[in-house]
Amino acid sequence: AQSVTQLDSQVPVFEEAPVELRCNYSSSVSVYLFWYVQYPNQGLQLLLKYLSGSTLVESINGFEAEFNKSQTSFHLRKPSVHISDTAEYFCAVSENNAGNMLTFGGGTRLMVKP
Amino acid sequence: EAGVTQSPTHLIKTRGQQATLRCSPISGHTSVYWYQQALGLGLQFLLWYDEGEERNRGNFPPRFSGRQFPNYSSELNVNALELEDSALYLCASRPGGSYNSPLHFGNGTRLTVT
Repeated sequence: AQSVTQLDSQVPVFEEAPVELRCNYSSSVSVYLFWYVQYPNQGLQLLLKYLSGSTLVESINGFEAEFNKSQTSFHLRKPSVHISDTAEYFCAVSENNAGNMLTFGGGTRLMVKP
Repeated sequence: EAGVTQSPTHLIKTRGQQATLRCSPISGHTSVYWYQQALGLGLQFLLWYDEGEERNRGNFPPRFSGRQFPNYSSELNVNALELEDSALYLCASRPGGSYNSPLHFGNGTRLTVT
């Protein structure tokens, strides 16, 4: 069975500083990986996804994540954060089989301070 | 394209009552998923419907049930409400059979049980 671990429940960072949100997963089959963002009082929005091909994927707002198969990780990074990036970030994994369940990590609350 | 819509936005019930939550998926999406987001517990998978059938359910008691209608909209029912059922309930949809498509989420229904 698949599982997802987000190692940090909260990450405080100053504006314009770099940030890395960590995500590790476990699965016995090939997987698809996703990062979602949740702003207060809203649902989840897709930030970026890894399906196949290049292990480095990027979002339109400056985030990137790298799939590392040997370390079973999919860490999210941004070189310079903004106040508006303050939100909860969820890593998710879906196995490439008919079970087709999307399993989420516990979430990381990114708090960007001025 | 209209997104996933959920109703009501907020729902207040007392212990022992029943709650009904509704979800309309994106047009063309046949798979509907329900997740519970309780404070401090992350997102827990509840139910998955596709083409009108229940395909999978999470580790929740039978008083959590639902159905999917011919137009692919879905209903989540929670019977004999308990205080710990208070949470944000998120509905998501994606095209059926697409193991690598991301889920599209609604903004959720916040259920409060007093």
